[in-house]
Amino acid sequence: AQTVTQSQPEMSVQEAETVTLSCTYDTSENNYYLFWYKQPPSRQMILVIRQEAYKQQNATENRFSVNFQKAAKSFSLKISDSQLGDTAMYFCALHIYNQGGKLIFGQGTELSVKP
Amino acid sequence: GAVVSQHPSRVICKSGTSVKIECRSLDFQATTMFWYRQFPKKSLMLMATSNEGSKATYEQGVEKDKFLINHASLTLSTLTVTSAHPEDSSFYICSARVLGIGTDTQYFGPGTRLTVL
Repeated sequence: AQTVTQSQPEMSVQEAETVTLSCTYDTSENNYYLFWYKQPPSRQMILVIRQEAYKQQNATENRFSVNFQKAAKSFSLKISDSQLGDTAMYFCALHIYNQGGKLIFGQGTELSVKP
Repeated sequence: GAVVSQHPSRVICKSGTSVKIECRSLDFQATTMFWYRQFPKKSLMLMATSNEGSKATYEQGVEKDKFLINHASLTLSTLTVTSAHPEDSSFYICSARVLGIGTDTQYFGPGTRLTVL
């Protein structure tokens, strides 16, 4: 069975600083995607960043980047220059190829950006 | 990015009535949509996978006769909560799958808050 674990239920960071959210996963499959989604207080789920497992290069999207360690099955999210609008619940998710598109979510990390 | 809408955003109903929630992909076609339930401060729980033109696939423990799913077109899936009870009160979220060369991603609707009195 595949699992996704986010071991930090809550985190906080000062505005303009950098924060890293942790995610580990477990699967015996070799072909998969990993995602980070953000859920602000509005509760709209927003795709932050995506990583294909076959790619060695870490994905980046503006202030958001990941540290993908395939052997360690780790997929952390780094947010640089944190902004107040980054305050949200962050979910790490795993998608295995050819399994109907299902996402397996972690428990979430609630991030607060403080002014 | 792909846009998914949900309607209504909030609904309050009396116990025993049925409620229908619509999920639409606005600028793309989605052969597969998903329905989730989310409790406060918790992760998303997958209820079912909705495939256009075929029966939905329900996750273990989800009552298919209570949560009716219809995916009649490539842009619309509906979830009907039948004979709703207070314990069905929750936040329901749909997503639509975008599948293409080098991509397989779910985009989410804004959610529907259901309150059953």
